[in-house]
Formats: sequence, C-alpha cells, structure tokens
Amino acid sequence: GENVEQHPSTLSVQEGDSAVIKCTYSDSASNYFPWYKQELGKGPQLIIDIRSNVGEKKDQRIAVTLNKTAKHFSLHITETQPEDSAVYFCAESNFGNEKLTFGTGTRLTIIP
Amino acid sequence: GAVVSQHPSWVICKSGTSVKIECRSLDFQATTMFWYRQFPKQSLMLMATSNEGSKATYEQGVEKDKFLINHASLTLSTLTVTSAHPEDSSFYICSARPGNLNTEAFFGQGTRLTVV
Repeated sequence: GENVEQHPSTLSVQEGDSAVIKCTYSDSASNYFPWYKQELGKGPQLIIDIRSNVGEKKDQRIAVTLNKTAKHFSLHITETQPEDSAVYFCAESNFGNEKLTFGTGTRLTIIP
Repeated sequence: GAVVSQHPSWVICKSGTSVKIECRSLDFQATTMFWYRQFPKQSLMLMATSNEGSKATYEQGVEKDKFLINHASLTLSTLTVTSAHPEDSSFYICSARPGNLNTEAFFGQGTRLTVV
C-alpha cells in the first residue's frame, strides 16, 4: 500500500451513540483492511478486519464496510461505551507483501 | 490470539549509548517480523522488515547502520538503536504474523525509548 487517509482525526461521541471512522486508500492491489485500537502506552490491538472478497463484516458492536470501487472502508461502533475511548487506526496491505500501511489515526472520546 | 512480547517495555539511556529491544513470538513461529516507530500523537511508521536468517529490509529514509536488526530464530527479532540521540526517543513496536500469509498481524506492547 502507498497512502491511507483517515478521517476524522478526533471524534467525540455521547455514550450510547454511534461512531464512524473512514479511511481511503490508493493502492488498487490492497486486499486486506484491518482496524486497530491503541490505548495509551500500549501496542495496537486488532478489533476487526475485512478482506476484499466481502463488503461488510460485523462483530457485536463493531462493523466494517468496504467499497473497493471507491477505495474506502469504514469502522462503525454502535452503542458506544466509555471503554471505547482510544486511538483507532485503519490499515491496509496486500497479502503478497505483508507490509501494513497505517492511517493517521482517530482519537475517539466517549462522553459519559 | 497469538502473543507477541517486547522487552523492555520502557528504557532510558544516555546519548551516545546503544539500546537493544527484543521482540518474541511466544506461541507461533514467524519468519517475518516488522519494526515500527511511533512518535507522540502520530501514526505507526514502518522502519524495517526483519527476515529470519537473512538481512532486514529497511524502508526509505531509515538508516540501517543505526537501527540494527537481527532475526536469529523463528521466534526472536532484535532491534538495536546504536549511538542513540534524543531525536531517537520514540515508541518502538514490533509485529509478527504466524507463518501463513493470510492471517492477522499481532503486535507487541511497544517499547518507550527515552534518550537523555
């Protein structure tokens, strides 16, 4: 992958509401799109990922959608909770080269 | 999921000295590991790809003589920051994938390096 844009850079959401973070990539060969949650002073933790052969994947309160034609993918968190507060990074790669290219990150704050 | 462990979790060193950071895959073998650097409030930037039994592949702009990488076994890669300077202070993170390419990457907990 070459370039991944991520928006917004910061996001504040009332507890219980939904949060959406979007990423746009440029490499048409990309076929793997993970999302990571990073808490202060820790390494990134995978929360959900999607591969290019599907358009949507859901795991409880978290979902990811992929639009390969438009080259963008989004993270959706529903029923947000205070423990969802963290920095979220999207990433993309081509399994052929394994390297991950990360987005610029979104600082999500859940307001109690 | 699989576990990747880094050591130490934080280190403070004097300018001009060298620091070694270890990255271990605890319950799987990894022929390839990756080293990232993250400055405060910034994203992860790939520094190099560590290949077991061969030379590491460095990203553009990363000095290979300053950031020495050794991947001596299928479960251990080390990053040595040589002649450290204050501008090398950063959060260093490694990751690894189990042997099959079509699997997720697991990240270590990171190492906070402060050069004084």
